[in-house]
Amino acid sequence: GAGVSQTPSNKVTEKGKYVELRCDPISGHTALYWYRQSLGQGPEFLIYFQGTGAADDSGLPNDRFFAVRPEGSVSTLKIQRTERGDSAVYLCASSSSTVYNEQFFGPGTRLTVL
Amino acid sequence: LAKTTQPISMDSYEGQEVNITCSHNNIATNDYITWYQQFPSQGPRFIIQGYKTKVTNEVASLFIPADRKSSTLSLPRVSLSDTAVYYCLVGDPLNSASKIIFGSGTRLSIRP
Repeated sequence: GAGVSQTPSNKVTEKGKYVELRCDPISGHTALYWYRQSLGQGPEFLIYFQGTGAADDSGLPNDRFFAVRPEGSVSTLKIQRTERGDSAVYLCASSSSTVYNEQFFGPGTRLTVL
Repeated sequence: LAKTTQPISMDSYEGQEVNITCSHNNIATNDYITWYQQFPSQGPRFIIQGYKTKVTNEVASLFIPADRKSSTLSLPRVSLSDTAVYYCLVGDPLNSASKIIFGSGTRLSIRP
C-alpha cells in the first residue's frame, strides 16, 4: 500500500525566501509528525498533529516555522525568511491512533538554503 | 521524558550476530521500548517494540530484563545490507502526548 510521501524531495532556496514542504500521510492515520534531521544526528521533533490540531508544537525552533493540517490529512510545513541554518532533511511521519510509537516515515525533503 | 543511551558506533562482519544495548534508567511504567533503523537518504523504519522479556519478529529480537532499565536489540546473521543507524526510544504507545525522542543512534557497519 501507499506509504508516507513528501514533496519536493529536494528544495534549494536562497536566504530570506519562503518555502513550503508537503507531507501526505498514510490514509487513516490520525497522528502526523514533523522532524528535522541534520547530518550525523537523529531526527529532531518539531511538531505533532492529532487530526487537524497541533497537539504539540514545542519543537518548532522559532516563529519563522509554522505547520498546518487543515483537513486532518495532508500537512504543510512553512518556513519564512529562511536562513542557512535551516538547511537539513525534513522528515514527516504518521501513525495510527492505537500505536503512536510505531511511526511510518516518509523519505524526507532535503532543504538547502544558500 | 525517558532518555536513552546507546553506543555511538559498532562494527561487525557478515554472518555474525550483532547485539546493540540501550540504557533507559528512567523508563516509566507505561513506556514501551521501540527500535528504529535508518538507511542513508531514507526516513527511519520501525523494527521492533516490546515491554518486557523477549520479543521476536522476522527481522530482530528484543531482550528486556526484569528491571526494564536496559534493552538489547539482537540482529541474527547480519549482512552488508544491515549497515545502518539504529535508534532506541522509549514512550507510551497509547499516549498521544508521549513525545518520541530520537538520540544520535548507533551507527552499525557490517564488513564482508
